[in-house]
Amino acid sequence: GENVEQHPSTLSVQEGDSAVIKCTYSDSASNYFPWYKQELGKRPQLIIDIRSNVGEKKDQRIAVTLNKTAKHFSLHITETQPEDSAVYFCAALNTGGFKTIFGAGTRLFVKA
Amino acid sequence: GAVVSQHPSWVICKSGTSVKIECRSLDFQATTMFWYRQFPKQSLMLMATSNEGSKATYEQGVEKDKFLINHASLTLSTLTVTSAHPEDSSFYICSASKTGKEDEQYFGPGTRLTVT
Repeated sequence: GENVEQHPSTLSVQEGDSAVIKCTYSDSASNYFPWYKQELGKRPQLIIDIRSNVGEKKDQRIAVTLNKTAKHFSLHITETQPEDSAVYFCAALNTGGFKTIFGAGTRLFVKA
Repeated sequence: GAVVSQHPSWVICKSGTSVKIECRSLDFQATTMFWYRQFPKQSLMLMATSNEGSKATYEQGVEKDKFLINHASLTLSTLTVTSAHPEDSSFYICSASKTGKEDEQYFGPGTRLTVT
């Protein structure tokens, strides 16, 4: 079945450094790739997304890149801050079926 | 905006009883709502897709008779855990999509269920 692999499972960076989280997906029909941030005990919040007709998207300190050929997409956070500490989930969706497959999550720690 | 609420936020029940969880889209209509289960430090596992006015579509391995889903209106879906057992203890999260924009999901705050 469809699968999304996410790496690393845990990431620790120093405040101000960059963080990169990578995901690969198996369903070649996937065409929408959202990223969610989930703080402890809270709901996942959409932080950025990208559609298959775009290779890169940026929103302030957050950027996402997509390589459809390799079925690979990544989240880049620059100038990390302690409040960026959370669990980040990537996801892939075939908008024809509306079923979202989530990655296993990356626990990001930003040390002050 | 796109606000989704869930009620209750937490519930403790005894083994064998049933628990109903509500998911509401407060400021938009949601033809499609999704129910997820999340174990500690794990990802979101899709349980079922709920479509207004029709039967829910359950994922493989999810018992439809145990997890009853009703989506009676464009703003409300309910999940009833029937004859709950301790292994049903988990964090249940719903999400809702705006009609016509079903790829973008807005999550509820979740419900923590503990079965004793």
